[in-house]
Amino acid sequence: AQSVTQLGSHVSVSEGALVLLRCNYSSSVPPYLFWYVQYPNQGLQLLLKYTTGATLVKGINGFEAEFKKSETSFHLTKPSAHMSDAAEYFCAALNTGGFKTIFGAGTRLFVKA
Amino acid sequence: DAGVIQSPRHEVTEMGQEVTLRCKPISGHNSLFWYRQTMMRGLELLIYFNNNVPIDDSGMPEDRFSAKMPNASFSTLKIQPSEPRDSAVYFCASSYQGLYEQYFGPGTRLTVT
Repeated sequence: AQSVTQLGSHVSVSEGALVLLRCNYSSSVPPYLFWYVQYPNQGLQLLLKYTTGATLVKGINGFEAEFKKSETSFHLTKPSAHMSDAAEYFCAALNTGGFKTIFGAGTRLFVKA
Repeated sequence: DAGVIQSPRHEVTEMGQEVTLRCKPISGHNSLFWYRQTMMRGLELLIYFNNNVPIDDSGMPEDRFSAKMPNASFSTLKIQPSEPRDSAVYFCASSYQGLYEQYFGPGTRLTVT
């Protein structure tokens, strides 16, 4: 992947509402794709990843993402937001056979009570 | 598994002083990455080691920065002399080839006054 674009640096949802965080990558060959979450004063931790196979991948904390090759997208969703989901989320891509993971700029998710 | 360990967690130093950040990767991982995170520039890859050998240091800002990995269980990032613009959170991450996702440490928050 040459770049990873996350649409929206900030997203605000109400508790219980759908969470949708958008990610698009640019690459001629579909890369491996990841979503990481970063809570305040912590390092990034893996939410989920797509390598091969099923295009809908499920991760921790009820999150899932769908790889759509035709749209070069890997959007992250969760049906019902919880206050504890408030964090920064990073989409990332790694070219197959490569080592350098390209991270998006991050999307900060706010959850309103 | 203790995860990636970084020390110190916080470092405050004066401009011109030498700073050494330390990292212990997850046992069995053979790839190690140093990142810098700031509000302005986001997450930047500084250097990547594979099997203790530096593979790509193109992200190292300038000659004031150096990194070593004397063995599979220890790495250091040194800044000499430090400058206020080096203030950031520095993360170390490790991975095992074939799994591809990276495991991040808690970070070192560096403040240079």
